[in-house]
Amino acid sequence: GAVVSQHPSWVICKSGTSVKIECRSLDFQATTMFWYRQFPKQSLMLMATSNEGSKATYEQGVEKDKFLINHASLTLSTLTVTSAHPEDSSFYICSARDPSGRALYEQYFGPGTRLTVT
Amino acid sequence: AQKITQTQPGMFVQEKEAVTLDCTYDTSDPSYGLFWYKQPSSGEMIFLIYQGSYDQQNATEGRYSLNFQKARKSANLVISASQLGDSAMYFCAMREGTGRRALTFGSGTRLQVQP
Repeated sequence: GAVVSQHPSWVICKSGTSVKIECRSLDFQATTMFWYRQFPKQSLMLMATSNEGSKATYEQGVEKDKFLINHASLTLSTLTVTSAHPEDSSFYICSARDPSGRALYEQYFGPGTRLTVT
Repeated sequence: AQKITQTQPGMFVQEKEAVTLDCTYDTSDPSYGLFWYKQPSSGEMIFLIYQGSYDQQNATEGRYSLNFQKARKSANLVISASQLGDSAMYFCAMREGTGRRALTFGSGTRLQVQP
């Protein structure tokens, strides 16, 4: 099946620094990718929808200036957490839909990135 | 209102027995899809099963089946012959409409399979 990778798988950074997380679709082209955030023992919450070649669409309550999303190619979307603070510590997961896939309904999730801000 | 409701924070089941994880949903869109995902402690989201709103039959995938009751807006997951490796978080999710839409997730159910 289709594969989505994320890098890094985990990262620890100091408060005030920025962190970039990459999401790649390895064997298909994804015009749309989604970024979710999951706090410990909670569910996945959609942060934003990333569209190739255009601005991302952010969910209500998500600061677009803090969580910068770039979808510069059909296989790569990046999420940059700017001026990270301890409350940004979370599990960040991306997903992508393969529009040409056999199962058109299926979304493929990356393995996630665990961010810890100290 | 919650779009996806999972009322069981935790469930226990004996190995080799069947277990049902509950999920109810709320939407006014006639076209929607319902998903179940398994999330082990590693964090990866593992797709289990899908049910489309227009599908006439309940979806089945190996030991997983989805009990789809459209009028009740429920989409319960049935796992037959539970295995120790089934211990994980299970999330019900919905995509409204068609096309490039994100999923809305329920709060999850932690399943523990006991030997």
